[in-house]
Amino acid sequence: DAGVIQSPRHEVTEMGQEVTLRCKPISGHDYLFWYRQTMMRGLELLIYFNNNVPIDDSGMPEDRFSAKMPNASFSTLKIQPSEPRDSAVYFCASSPRQVKMNTEAFFGQGTRLTVV
Amino acid sequence: DAKTTQPPSMDCAEGRAANLPCNHSTISGNEYVYWYRQIHSQGPQYIIHGLKNNETNEMASLIITEDRKSSTLILPHATLRDTAVYYCIVRERNSGNTPLVFGKGTRLSVIA
Repeated sequence: DAGVIQSPRHEVTEMGQEVTLRCKPISGHDYLFWYRQTMMRGLELLIYFNNNVPIDDSGMPEDRFSAKMPNASFSTLKIQPSEPRDSAVYFCASSPRQVKMNTEAFFGQGTRLTVV
Repeated sequence: DAKTTQPPSMDCAEGRAANLPCNHSTISGNEYVYWYRQIHSQGPQYIIHGLKNNETNEMASLIITEDRKSSTLILPHATLRDTAVYYCIVRERNSGNTPLVFGKGTRLSVIA
């Protein structure tokens, strides 16, 4: 398996524009997580899904952020409109259904977003 | 909030053992200790986890104190490629795949 695949790897956009980040989890994994990383706040959980259903979106900073998982092999994180303070590295991670105690999470390479 | 405390940074000479401490004094009986690391410009990577016994795998060893209030991750022969931020995470068992909550971690610099 190629692991968790995120696209694009880098995105530069102007303030006010819509941004869509994409993630393909590892095949067969039931859980998908979106994280954001900044120097100031470190790694923060934004939202996570189980079997394509959002379980906890309390980490989503504002209504400008939305995430979807239309099927088991694809998820998107959308920011509309984008602001400079959204500049960060966004990571997607997936993990399998818990068949044993505490399975590990596999992270993608991240998308570095710069809003100017 | 992260339930662990780690030193912000450490240095280690190449070829020597790197011992990374972690304090988790409020850990409960049903919580595991996990270690992840993040190499520059990459996503976090799982290293090892344990409940109360010492654990070893091909990457590292995990030593958990008897009272479980602290642990040490040991990289037996550190290489330059081990330079990374190391995160110690406490996570509840029997809770499905609850998300990982990351603290600030320890930035390990392996020096030639």
